[in-house]
Amino acid sequence: EAQVTQNPRYLITVTGKKLTVTCSQNMNHEYMSWYRQDPGLGLRQIYYSMNVEVTDKGDVPEGYKVSRKEKRNFPLILESPSPNQTSLYFCASSLSATPTYEQYFGPGTRLTVT
Amino acid sequence: GENVEQHPSTLSVQEGDSAVIKCTYSDSASNYFPWYKQELGKRPQLIIDIRSNVGEKKDQRIAVTLNKTAKHFSLHITETQPEDSAVYFCAASNDYKLSFGAGTTVTVRA
Repeated sequence: EAQVTQNPRYLITVTGKKLTVTCSQNMNHEYMSWYRQDPGLGLRQIYYSMNVEVTDKGDVPEGYKVSRKEKRNFPLILESPSPNQTSLYFCASSLSATPTYEQYFGPGTRLTVT
Repeated sequence: GENVEQHPSTLSVQEGDSAVIKCTYSDSASNYFPWYKQELGKRPQLIIDIRSNVGEKKDQRIAVTLNKTAKHFSLHITETQPEDSAVYFCAASNDYKLSFGAGTTVTVRA
């Protein structure tokens, strides 16, 4: 089954404790990205990747890191989480190397930082 | 960077009536305009999209219009049904980034 998976789905952590949210797609998609969703703000792009080893900042990259060592995986790293990073996070992938085609979203990861 | 504004933030319509959501964008380089629907507790899913070389596109009860000169685009849902109740997001993309509007919560009253 073609899909985007994220793990974990729910995470409660404390300020400053490094964490990684994994994202994997099995559709051989070129473009992958991370979004955070907050009430009243919609979906905001954190980082995107157009190909292996090619990543760039989205609109809200502060406090986050990513890597794209393999085509299928695009982990999101929070080196020192803070309460303002409490949010719902979505990973997405797209067939093309640009975001000008349908984005397939993962199921979401709800993160709470206390 | 791109700034996408979406209105209204909430919309309540009687079943069978039409719903219209409007968005504006700021970056003249944007060339792709998708609309996503997100049901409660679910992931966003694409419902329709339009490219900059097209002025209008229709898919059954859903249509999207684009005015590149004015930098605005709209989603039209006709003959609304209870299953149309959801949050709808517009978005605009250049060849690198995808920027979303803040969303419209649509409620269809029976």
